[in-house]
Amino acid sequence: VMTQSPLYLSVTLGQPASISCRSSQSLVHSDGNTYFNWFQQRPGQSPRRLIYKVSNRDSRFPDRFSGSGSGTDFTLKINRVEAEDVGIYYCAQGTNWPYTFGQGTKLEIK
Amino acid sequence: EVQLVESGGRLVQPGRSLRLSCAASGFPFRGYTFRDYTFHWIRQFPGKGLEWVSGINGRGDTIRYGGSVQGRFTVSRDNANNSVYLQMNNLRLDDTALYYCAKDNAGDLESWGQGTLVTVSS
Repeated sequence: VMTQSPLYLSVTLGQPASISCRSSQSLVHSDGNTYFNWFQQRPGQSPRRLIYKVSNRDSRFPDRFSGSGSGTDFTLKINRVEAEDVGIYYCAQGTNWPYTFGQGTKLEIK
Repeated sequence: EVQLVESGGRLVQPGRSLRLSCAASGFPFRGYTFRDYTFHWIRQFPGKGLEWVSGINGRGDTIRYGGSVQGRFTVSRDNANNSVYLQMNNLRLDDTALYYCAKDNAGDLESWGQGTLVTVSS
């Protein structure tokens, strides 16, 4: 089970934001990798991979986004929130099938 | 870049069947062909929650299903035509969702389609 917090985030433009995700079990695979991911879903769009293997940022996203964590606890940080960041952020694990997702965190601009 | 296009979603009555398709293009990708990749079906409920439905590896010999669809849904693929399918039988009201096809990049869902909407209603 993947548990995100908070589920709702209202942030002033230019301010930082942080989302946490906790797994009910370790996400370290037997191969040594941790297949933990973050996805961004903008309104009306499909989810897009944002972060993979805990801290690797997808090339489509700016370096304002960063991921960290290990084992069962993970964090997504946005340095300075911009208007285009509005949407829902999901954590997910791919270490074990089935893939499981967090409930999603809705980010809005204050 | 890999493009995924889902189709086949529509309004259907409870108990009926539906087949979804996912057409993939953009291969070879990073030197790998379509048959080198695992694909998944993921659905998004009206309240926005995401649920993994099924996954199939490149050869089609490793297949898994989520508990809520086990025994009712069947995933398959046609590597000659770069396509993945989801046969859905005995559909229920709670199968209503937007169904996405996604490409697996060894532990993460790197590419997603735009989704196809399945509505189960009498």
